[in-house]
Amino acid sequence: DTEVTQTPKHLVMGMTNKKSLKCEQHMGHRAMYWYKQKAKKPPELMFVYSYEKLSINESVPSRFSPECPNSSLLNLHLHALQPEDSALYLCASSQEEEMNTEAFFGQGTRLTVV
Amino acid sequence: GESVGLHLPTLSVQEGDNSIINCAYSNSASDYFIWYKQESGKGPQFIIDIRSNMDKRQGQRVTVLLNKTVKHLSLQIAATQPGDSAVYFCAENSDSNYQLIWGAGTKLIIKP
Repeated sequence: DTEVTQTPKHLVMGMTNKKSLKCEQHMGHRAMYWYKQKAKKPPELMFVYSYEKLSINESVPSRFSPECPNSSLLNLHLHALQPEDSALYLCASSQEEEMNTEAFFGQGTRLTVV
Repeated sequence: GESVGLHLPTLSVQEGDNSIINCAYSNSASDYFIWYKQESGKGPQFIIDIRSNMDKRQGQRVTVLLNKTVKHLSLQIAATQPGDSAVYFCAENSDSNYQLIWGAGTKLIIKP
């Protein structure tokens, strides 16, 4: 199994809503990542988890809250988002935190904030 | 991470021809380079990688060339097919920087 699975595929939420994005991998990878991608732009790193601990937070606003319940799961909790937060949110995983080996990406969650 | 440029370059290629996608990378200390393919509505998909101790690596229908002197990376796709239509990103990484630095991306369009 070389898949990173993200749910939901699409999400529309209001600015007062609370929602969560979920990511799962069963490749035994110890590093997992959240990226944000705007149209026609490359992915931008948000968070890195290494061995279930938050390793990197790229100065992401607190309305985005990551969680790593176990080595296979990664969540991104969303609260009080703004319309400019609308984007494709990508989860990825790699064997270790050092990104010098192949990273596998999920299909992403297309988020629209209204 | 950082990205270069605000526009998405486009390359149009006739089906069956070879495609060459270029990337200028930024960090002379980078020692690992990756090409990703991103189809519409999907996440990036790993295509091929190369380390700085090599100047060429071949995969199935794809070849990556690395020129460290001018900090240039290229992806060659042989006999381009409609399924190759996508945005192609190069990315670089160094031992001192755990994060990937992504290029701006190139959109490949296949003409029938």
